[in-house]
Amino acid sequence: QQQVKQSPQSLIVQKGGISIINCAYENTAFDYFPWYQQFPGKGPALLIAIRPDVSEKKEGRFTISFNKSAKQFSLHIMDSQPGDSATYFCAASTSGANNLFFGTGTRLTVIP
Amino acid sequence: NAGVMQNPRHLVRRRGQEARLRCSPMKGHSHVYWYRQLPEEGLKFMVYLQKENIIDESGMPKERFSAEFPKEGPSILRIQQVVRGDSAAYFCASSPVVGLAGAETQYFGPGTRLLVL
Repeated sequence: QQQVKQSPQSLIVQKGGISIINCAYENTAFDYFPWYQQFPGKGPALLIAIRPDVSEKKEGRFTISFNKSAKQFSLHIMDSQPGDSATYFCAASTSGANNLFFGTGTRLTVIP
Repeated sequence: NAGVMQNPRHLVRRRGQEARLRCSPMKGHSHVYWYRQLPEEGLKFMVYLQKENIIDESGMPKERFSAEFPKEGPSILRIQQVVRGDSAAYFCASSPVVGLAGAETQYFGPGTRLLVL
């Protein structure tokens, strides 16, 4: 079964707008939540990550919001740019685990 | 420092043939992970290897799939008697450490796109 549920499947945003992608999980043992950015023909690249001891983490235009009680986390891209057009994956992992559980991805298109 | 290398980048096989996918981890990394990405889906963990050892193969299909990471040379993901459902992108990641820190420090290669005709 899908351990991490991601929405929306696709997203179109105007340049300068805010892109928001949401993820939800069930396994309360997860304690590491990264976001990956993938361009066509490339492998996923780590964008930003958060642990459950904080509710928000910001790096430049990218912010993760984390709601432990709701078991949800989201990626906000401020001032979205055409160069941000890519597929974004949320993921989750557990201390001592060998693998990451990925969401199904969101294809973001930022139009000029 | 070169990143994770995967080859071939694209592979076309006919049903029943064998596919061999290679992954060279980043320099200094001794942990390799294989993931499969089906069209319009996220990556799914297949197997985790250290040099000469399979540590976790909980995501590997029970038949036709095997993986190795020899003392010398790249990691190999081998798919025997391929079927159309094996068509996917196969990604390799490497990390220098194990456990949660390994999840944090997994660097992905560009993937091999396998197409089974």
